[in-house]
Amino acid sequence: GIQVEQSPPDLILQEGANSTLRCNFSDSVNNLQWFHQNPWGQLINLFYIPSGTKQNGRLSATTVATERYSLLYISSSQTTDSGVYFCAVRAVDTGRRALTFGSGTRLQVQP
Amino acid sequence: GAVVSQHPSWVICKSGTSVKIECRSLDFQATTMFWYRQFPKQSLMLMATSNEGSKATYEQGVEKDKFLINHASLTLSTLTVTSAHPEDSSFYICSAESSSYEQYFGPGTRLTVT
Repeated sequence: GIQVEQSPPDLILQEGANSTLRCNFSDSVNNLQWFHQNPWGQLINLFYIPSGTKQNGRLSATTVATERYSLLYISSSQTTDSGVYFCAVRAVDTGRRALTFGSGTRLQVQP
Repeated sequence: GAVVSQHPSWVICKSGTSVKIECRSLDFQATTMFWYRQFPKQSLMLMATSNEGSKATYEQGVEKDKFLINHASLTLSTLTVTSAHPEDSSFYICSAESSSYEQYFGPGTRLTVT
């Protein structure tokens, strides 16, 4: 099945810093989503971005489908950005509707 | 945005009993819902795909007789953990696929089996 790799696995930032999270995937996809899992376990939808670039406030994401990677940018980080960020994809050729998750990036923003 | 609810949010049960978890899409209809399991500090692992009006499709290694899934309507899927044992303790999360193919996740159910 499709492989999803996220980097870095852990990241510690000072409040106000910027960061870039990366997601590499091994096959063509028709769905790619970025999520933030908060300390209570809730997965918050950040972006639905199988291709192209989107921005939402301090967050933006870019997916280059032909090169099989996606980037999530966090600018001016805040302590509330702490948590785990997951990239999840759905491969084109399998007929499988479920998302395959990467292992996540654990972000800690310190005041 | 689309909202998915889960009930209960946490449950403690004794070994050998059964527990039912409900997953509802509140403001959209979902032909397809999914059930995931997450262990501490790990990623989400798909357990099964639930299709309205038909049998669920289980991932390899997931016991379908132990984890019963019913998707009786376009807004409700249930997961029943039968004869629960301590190793079934985990965080169970459901998701629903919208008409635009984006998936939305419920808040999760933390199951502890004593």
